Amino acid sequence: DIQMTQSPSSLSVSVGDRVTITCRASQGISNSLAWYQQKPGTLPRLLIYAASTLQSGVPSRFSGSGSGTDFTLTISSLQPEDVATYYCQKYNSAPLTFGGGTKVEIK
Amino acid sequence: QVQLVQSGAEVRKPGSSVKVSCKASGGPFSSHAVSWVRQAPGQGLEWMGGIIGMFGTTSYAQKFQGRLTITADEITSTAYMELSSLRSEDTAVYYCARGKYYYYSYVDVWGSGTRVTVSS
Repeated sequence: DIQMTQSPSSLSVSVGDRVTITCRASQGISNSLAWYQQKPGTLPRLLIYAASTLQSGVPSRFSGSGSGTDFTLTISSLQPEDVATYYCQKYNSAPLTFGGGTKVEIK
Repeated sequence: QVQLVQSGAEVRKPGSSVKVSCKASGGPFSSHAVSWVRQAPGQGLEWMGGIIGMFGTTSYAQKFQGRLTITADEITSTAYMELSSLRSEDTAVYYCARGKYYYYSYVDVWGSGTRVTVSS
């Protein structure tokens, strides 16, 4: 099975800073990669699919890139409401494995 | 707007089984793949398995092979997840999650979640 490795597992940044989260697949998955945001006590929310397509209603400060095995989620200017845990997920074929998550906090 | 309403919280003893339901309302069901995802306390999301309703085919994560059964009833637009031989490590919130398309894809609708507690 393909493994999904996210890094870092956590980070603490200042409001307005640029945030970069990476997700690496152990084998190529083309662009079949989604990013989700989960705030404490809430359901996950789809941010990006097909590696770089922004889901409707998601602020433009979120962006995704990558293809094959290496992917990146970027928040161009962190806002207080972005405090959450972020997960990548591969979906080219089953199993639809999630990355381990990246917890983003305000410094 | 499609909603996925799950059955209520469950408490089970180690070694027993639990069956959780997920009923879709407000939109098509059989034309979408449905996954089951769990989240243990303070932990990340874990994909357990899924079903492609149109064909009735299932896929399971290797970790759950042999003790996980996912089924779907097109007539009632309900998916089910049954996990057997429960142990304390299975204590988690279990989510059903509808994929965007009939084949496995990203999740566009999440169920409300069902808390399962395994304790003697």
